[in-house]
Amino acid sequence: QVQLQESGPGLVKPSETLSLTCSVSGGSLSSYYWNWIRQPPGKGLEWIGHIYYSGTTNYNPSLQSRVTITVDTSKNQFSLKLSSVTAADTAVYYCARQDSRGWYRFDYWGQGTLVTVSS
Amino acid sequence: EIVLTQSPGTLSLSPGERATLSCRASQSVGSTYLAWYQHKPGQAPRLLIYGASSRATGIPGRFSGSGSATDFTLTITRLEPEDFAVYYCQQYGSSPYTFGQGTKLEIK
Repeated sequence: QVQLQESGPGLVKPSETLSLTCSVSGGSLSSYYWNWIRQPPGKGLEWIGHIYYSGTTNYNPSLQSRVTITVDTSKNQFSLKLSSVTAADTAVYYCARQDSRGWYRFDYWGQGTLVTVSS
Repeated sequence: EIVLTQSPGTLSLSPGERATLSCRASQSVGSTYLAWYQHKPGQAPRLLIYGASSRATGIPGRFSGSGSATDFTLTITRLEPEDFAVYYCQQYGSSPYTFGQGTKLEIK
């Protein structure tokens, strides 16, 4: 059974960089896209971007100037960095796996981790 | 960017009743790339339907999806107590991928 687990600081200061890691167990990173999605308190889901296991990325234009997603296949992990954060970046951050062939489903998700931006 | 609009915002029904949730897209979405999720507080979103009408692994038969182009529907026949949650549609055929704002299904 594939499992994803987000980890990282729960509190980040304004103007600093938010850094999260998603650890994948029960399966390989190969042949999948690996996504980050967030949900601000009381709001809906927003797709941040994804990375293919080979390293190709695709970001939401609304965040593109501040986002970097990287992959470490040796550790079976992928990571998110979001720079120059403000209170508007306070959200629950989820990682999710996506098929790279056929249906392109988002079939496995992490439980999510709350990141609060505050001084 | 494709905007997905879900209706109603809140749906109040009783267990045993039928729920019909709508998702309308601002432009055509390939049927292959439309999904529905169930989301409960403190949990990961759960994939229910992909490809507009295919049930994900382990999803009960009371959940069904239909639609094409810009109009999609999630139907839950005979609501069970565990079905009361927030439901989101998502398109992943055009970047950036987008989600609807959600429909809250609450117990009447």
